[in-house]
Amino acid sequence: AQSVTQPDIHITVSEGASLELRCNYSYGATPYLFWYVQSPGQGLQLLLKYFSGDTLVQGIKGFEAEFKRSQSSFNLRKPSVHWSDAAEYFCAVGVNNNNDMRFGAGTRLTVKP
Amino acid sequence: GAVVSQHPSRVICKSGTSVKIECRSLDFQATTMFWYRQFPKQSLMLMATSNEGSKATYEQGVEKDKFLINHASLTLSTLTVTSAHPEDSSFYICSAWDRDYNEQFFGPGTRLTVL
Repeated sequence: AQSVTQPDIHITVSEGASLELRCNYSYGATPYLFWYVQSPGQGLQLLLKYFSGDTLVQGIKGFEAEFKRSQSSFNLRKPSVHWSDAAEYFCAVGVNNNNDMRFGAGTRLTVKP
Repeated sequence: GAVVSQHPSRVICKSGTSVKIECRSLDFQATTMFWYRQFPKQSLMLMATSNEGSKATYEQGVEKDKFLINHASLTLSTLTVTSAHPEDSSFYICSAWDRDYNEQFFGPGTRLTVL
């Protein structure tokens, strides 16, 4: 079965600093890949997704992610973090045309002023 | 993208009562919907897959008699938590699969608190 690993449970960065959140997946083929953000008490908001094509994907709020097949990774990046980016971030893998989705454990982002 | 709604957004009930949560796809038809559960500070865990017109498929460890799922139409799936207990308190999130996008779209979630 596919799995998703987010190695970092909690990351703290200073406002204006760059950010990279790690995500690794385990699956026999290239799955569909997603990053979601969740603020406290809220639902999921899709930041970006990768289905095929260009391995560098641009998302909303200035986020981007790069699919690296050789590393089975789909890391999320942002060049300059804003205080409003503080939230929980989930990487997810979809297979079977996304009829089966699995989520990573999440990374909590804290932004220091 | 497609829009999925959930109702209610928050519900508080007494232990032993049943609670129904609705999940609707507003602008597309969804033959398949999914129910997830999220405990505080944890990730989403798939509870069950709901197929329109047929029985739901439950993940291992999820009690089908406790979490009743009905997907009676192409735009509505319901989750009923029967005889709720405090340990059922959680954030329940549904999603609907849109075949035009080959993607699940998520509802905003329902916060259930059982007293």
